[in-house]
Amino acid sequence: EVHLVESGGGLVKPGGTLRLSCAASGFPFNSYTMNWVRQAPGKGLEWVSSISISSTHIYYADSLKGRFTISRDNAKNSLYLQINTVRAEDTAVYFCARAMAGYYFDSWGQGTLVTVSS
Amino acid sequence: DIVMTQSPDSLAVSLGERATINCKSSQSVFHSSTNKNYLAWYQQKPGQPPKLLVYWASTRESGVPDRFSGSGSGTDFTLTISSLQAEDVAVYYCQQYYSTPLMHTFGQGTKLEIK
Repeated sequence: EVHLVESGGGLVKPGGTLRLSCAASGFPFNSYTMNWVRQAPGKGLEWVSSISISSTHIYYADSLKGRFTISRDNAKNSLYLQINTVRAEDTAVYFCARAMAGYYFDSWGQGTLVTVSS
Repeated sequence: DIVMTQSPDSLAVSLGERATINCKSSQSVFHSSTNKNYLAWYQQKPGQPPKLLVYWASTRESGVPDRFSGSGSGTDFTLTISSLQAEDVAVYYCQQYYSTPLMHTFGQGTKLEIK
């Protein structure tokens, strides 16, 4: 069974740095493009970033370029998202999601909540 | 960027009745080389992550009840629930995965309730 478990969320002060993790199991992690999607409280889904199998292709939402860095460690079956200089508008649940054939998202984690507040 | 617009924003349907949700993309998401529409539908219930319902615009994900169906091509798409059940109360999102470089975008969501 596919299992994706996010961690690393919590309360962070504006201007701080946060690193989120997603632990994958139940499938060959090194065969799938992975993604981060976020959802602000009471709002819709916002795609954040994707990373290809060997990290060759990395994409970010235009509105988020510059402060977000996606990475993966296939040896550890793990996906990461670093957020620098966090802002109040980064407050959201962050989901990791597996992309089938690099396209649609067929498996999602439960998400980790990031709250940016002083 | 491709913008996805769903209608309506919210919808109330009686149990057993048909529910129809629309999704319009700002440009075509049909790829002639593959003859596919690069569009998916997701269901999200409160406190849960999204769940994939339909991909390639009309292919139902394994395990999804057959009362859910997707249709459309090019820029206009529809998710239909043929006979609404209580457990279908959720927010539904469309997503395009066509753009190059691949930048996924979601519609704003449609909240489905029981009338």
